[in-house]
Amino acid sequence: SYELTQPPSVSVSPGQTASITCSGDKLGDKYACWYQQKPGQSPVLVIYQDNKRPSGIPERFSGSNSGNTATLTISGTQAMDEADYYCQAWDSSIVVFGGGTRLTVL
Amino acid sequence: QVQLVESGGGLVKPGGSLRLSCAASGFTFSDYYMTWIRQAPGKGLEWVSYISSSGSTMYYADSVKGRFTISRDNAKNSLYLQMNSLRAEDTAVYYCARTVGYCSSTSCPSTYYFDYWGQGTLVTVSS
Repeated sequence: SYELTQPPSVSVSPGQTASITCSGDKLGDKYACWYQQKPGQSPVLVIYQDNKRPSGIPERFSGSNSGNTATLTISGTQAMDEADYYCQAWDSSIVVFGGGTRLTVL
Repeated sequence: QVQLVESGGGLVKPGGSLRLSCAASGFTFSDYYMTWIRQAPGKGLEWVSYISSSGSTMYYADSVKGRFTISRDNAKNSLYLQMNSLRAEDTAVYYCARTVGYCSSTSCPSTYYFDYWGQGTLVTVSS
């Protein structure tokens, strides 16, 4: 079965750029999306189809996907961006989530 | 505005059954696939099942296949998950999510993703 691998944690200083990776076999041949989940809240879609932002998502969120790795980039990270982030892809009629990455804004 | 409200969670003994519901509003329910996703306490997201807009096609994660059944009633704008033979490892918050499909120039669908989520309902399986 298809698997997506994320680092368990990433730390970033306020105002700096955070990059969260998601790895999977030939992931670049599929579409990746990303969800943000803050404690006690439901997940929110922040990137879909590799690099598109839903309305209401700040421009500092961007995405890319090539080779075996999709990347969520948060430019000018703010304290409010501290959350868990999950990547997701679709493979052969099956939905796959990465294990999640906790972003800490120090 | 899009709203998804889950209900039906609770405490159930191992081997028992539970039926979750998700009431949708603010969009044309019958136009969208719908999905159930769960999250065990302190753990990550796990896809459970999705159903086509007409209700004719369903897919399940291996972990629930043969025990869970997804269904929908487009006349009532409602999504359901019938859960049988429940196990301790089924303990989780269950979310329903509106599901968007995308067709590229080379394949259709190319992907599905979830643009709106409910607040979740907690299912606890314990004796």
